[in-house]
Amino acid sequence: QKEVEQNSGPLSVPEGAIASLNCTYSDRGSQSFFWYRQYSGKSPELIMFIYSNGDKEDGRFTAQLNKASQYVSLLIRDSQPSDSATYLCAVNSPGGYQKVTFGIGTKLQVIP
Amino acid sequence: DGGITQSPKYLFRKEGQNVTLSCEQNLNHDAMYWYRQDPGQGLRLIYYSQIVNDFQKGDIAEGYSVSREKKESFPLTVTSAQKNPTAFYLCASSTGTDKTYEQYFGPGTRLTVT
Repeated sequence: QKEVEQNSGPLSVPEGAIASLNCTYSDRGSQSFFWYRQYSGKSPELIMFIYSNGDKEDGRFTAQLNKASQYVSLLIRDSQPSDSATYLCAVNSPGGYQKVTFGIGTKLQVIP
Repeated sequence: DGGITQSPKYLFRKEGQNVTLSCEQNLNHDAMYWYRQDPGQGLRLIYYSQIVNDFQKGDIAEGYSVSREKKESFPLTVTSAQKNPTAFYLCASSTGTDKTYEQYFGPGTRLTVT
């Protein structure tokens, strides 16, 4: 079982819709969870992090964490074509050092 | 203007040659990391360093070497022992003082070995 699992997509949504990206993780001891956006040919850009159960909102982005079910999701409201990118989920590895494990990423396509 | 710089952006080498990738940060971050990204795969950790003069192997350290002589710098050498060196290499850093340990990435170096 992979430590961090994401559907590689592509996930296609129409402009203005809500895009829902999901991620599951295997280590129950994980404490911090990150979402990165990566445009084609570019490096990942941190867009959200969350470490408490529940929702965290930042503009059009909402991160949701459910530790009991071991999943974390990212909602993008009012999706724009500029949101088209690969979204990487990352989960920290417990153990006292600053290591995170990344999923393969979900490719999002926002159709105008 | 704080950030992480990597150079060069593109690098071409012949098989059998060692090559060093540069990574510099002026964010005053304690921890630095090197990842490799291949198509269809997630980021894979090569080496990481939490403090100057100390570093640990990541998941795919074979064929790579690093040094951390200064807080700002964490160069990666891809040696001739690395069997498949062609990849997108990403350097990252994190504060080391916040429990979230969020990592920030440089622009990356795309290495092609023929």
